[in-house]
Amino acid sequence: DGGITQSPKYLFRKEGQNVTLSCEQNLNHDAMYWYRQDPGQGLRLIYYSQIVNDFQKGDIAEGYSVSREKKESFPLTVTSAQKNPTAFYLCASSLAEERHEAFFGQGTRLTVV
Amino acid sequence: QQQVKQSPQSLIVQKGGIPIINCAYENTAFDYFPWYQQFPGKGPALLIAIRPDVSEKKEGRFTISFNKSAKQFSLHIMDSQPGDSATYFCAASMLWSGKLIFGQGTTLQVKP
Repeated sequence: DGGITQSPKYLFRKEGQNVTLSCEQNLNHDAMYWYRQDPGQGLRLIYYSQIVNDFQKGDIAEGYSVSREKKESFPLTVTSAQKNPTAFYLCASSLAEERHEAFFGQGTRLTVV
Repeated sequence: QQQVKQSPQSLIVQKGGIPIINCAYENTAFDYFPWYQQFPGKGPALLIAIRPDVSEKKEGRFTISFNKSAKQFSLHIMDSQPGDSATYFCAASMLWSGKLIFGQGTTLQVKP
């Protein structure tokens, strides 16, 4: 089945540690996105990538880093510089010619203790 | 100018009622307005979307009404069912961009 797979579903980390969230898609989509969701707020864009080996900052990129070495994969690293990392993280993808139609993964809930 | 404002924050209706969720935007360059439905612990799923060249779009029990001059759009759910209980997000983007600007979300509860 085609889709977007995020792993793990739940992640616990100690404060000060970097952590990497995985996002893989087999939809042959060109563009991939990372959003952060907090209670009572909409989704906010962290980073996005339109093609392999290229990515741009979104609205809240500070404290995060990404890579796009393969079309299928767009991992997100939450660094120790991110002041409030506990959140629900959502990965999405879309076709280049249908960029506006984003398909989302099931999310990773990160809790930093 | 990039914001999308959504209201109400939460909504409770009886089965069969017609919940209405409203959104407003400022950036007139937006040309794509989707609605997403999200169940607890899941990612959002595209429900219905509209472009500003039409004033209304229906898909099953879901209808988007769009008022370009007022820069507002709304989601109506006809004959609502308990299974419609979820969080609904409006969003806006420019078609070429792919960057979605989301509203704050509305948690809908449909009582049996």
